[in-house]
Amino acid sequence: AQKITQTQPGMFVQEKEAVTLDCTYDTSDPSYGLFWYKQPSSGEMIFLIYQGSYDQQNATEGRYSLNFQKARKSANLVISASQLGDSAMYFCAMREVGGNEKLTFGTGTRLTIIP
Amino acid sequence: EPEVTQTPSHQVTQMGQEVILRCVPISNHLYFYWYRQILGQKVEFLVSFYNNEISEKSEIFDDQFSVERPDGSNFTLKIRSTKLEDSAMYFCASVGEAAQETQYFGPGTRLLVL
Repeated sequence: AQKITQTQPGMFVQEKEAVTLDCTYDTSDPSYGLFWYKQPSSGEMIFLIYQGSYDQQNATEGRYSLNFQKARKSANLVISASQLGDSAMYFCAMREVGGNEKLTFGTGTRLTIIP
Repeated sequence: EPEVTQTPSHQVTQMGQEVILRCVPISNHLYFYWYRQILGQKVEFLVSFYNNEISEKSEIFDDQFSVERPDGSNFTLKIRSTKLEDSAMYFCASVGEAAQETQYFGPGTRLLVL
């Protein structure tokens, strides 16, 4: 069974600083995908970044990057130069590849950016 | 940019009533999903739908739940007789053909059962 662990229920970060949100996963599948989603207070789920298990390089999307350490089974999200609008819940998720592609989510980290 | 849409955005219903939550997935997508998120908790998989049939369902998805793709564009989740514990945010998501594609979520329907 797959499992996603996010050990930081909440984080407070000063505006303009970088922040790392932790995510570890557990799977026996050799092929999988890892996602980060942002959920602001309005409730929608906003896709941020994706990393495939066979990708050689860490994924980057603007201010978001994914620190993928396959041997440690970790996929931490790094947000550079944080902004007030980054305050939200952040969910790490893993996709089972081959089959129905459903996502399994972690419990999330609530990030608060302090001005 | 194409997006997943959901209606209604909010619904309040009495316990025991039937509700239908509607979703319009991205038009060329092939896999469709419903997830739910009870307030303050993580997002949980309910059901996946491919090729006009359910491909997997979770233990949450009991006989009170059903899904349909009635007309090739809409994707609906029906709860036959709502319970208090069905109060949650319900998300629809869709994926295209390739396994590496991103799963895009709709904005959600917030259901409150009184």
